[in-house]
Amino acid sequence: GNSVTQMEGPVTLSEEAFLTINCTYTATGYPSLFWYVQYPGEGLQLLLKATKADDKGSNKGFEATYRKETTSFHLEKGSVQVSDSAVYFCALSDLATSGSARQLTFGSGTQLTVLP
Amino acid sequence: DAGITQSPRHKVTETGTPVTLRCHQTENHRYMYWYRQDPGHGLRLIHYSYGVKDTDKGEVSDGYSVSRSKTEDFLLTLESATSSQTSVYFCAIATGGSYNEQFFGPGTRLTVL
Repeated sequence: GNSVTQMEGPVTLSEEAFLTINCTYTATGYPSLFWYVQYPGEGLQLLLKATKADDKGSNKGFEATYRKETTSFHLEKGSVQVSDSAVYFCALSDLATSGSARQLTFGSGTQLTVLP
Repeated sequence: DAGITQSPRHKVTETGTPVTLRCHQTENHRYMYWYRQDPGHGLRLIHYSYGVKDTDKGEVSDGYSVSRSKTEDFLLTLESATSSQTSVYFCAIATGGSYNEQFFGPGTRLTVL
């Protein structure tokens, strides 16, 4: 079946440092790929997405490129802020069993803490 | 904001009691989902719905049932709660091209003692 593997956390960085969170996936077919962010006590928010190979998703200074050859979708940001402290989830979307629905398969999440 | 609410937001119950969680959406989306979130596992799909009265199982459906009698409401029921069902439960709806993007509700924290 499909699976998503994220780098284990927690990750602690100083403000303005460069961020990389690694994500690799295993899937049949051509899934769409996503990064979600969860701030403390809240639900998940869609951060960015890519729907085909070589697509780059970007939002709020975060970027990730869909690399089919390495089955990866690493999240990067050039200069993190304290407000970026959250848990980040990599996910892939593929067809579910019924009704043309799509289902998400998530990685286990990476806790990021940014210190001032 | 995809107009998703969940109720209750917090619940403490005892082993063996039935529990129903409600997900309500205001924008007439066809697809709705229930996930559970546990440390070290990310989110895992419990059940999903692709229309009124149309539902199917996800990865971790044992011990759970769902119902969708109208478009806006998707109910998750634990017939006889167990401590292993202590978790945070998230509802989601699907939007976007090919219903590819999912948006999540605020979650329900359930504790089974």
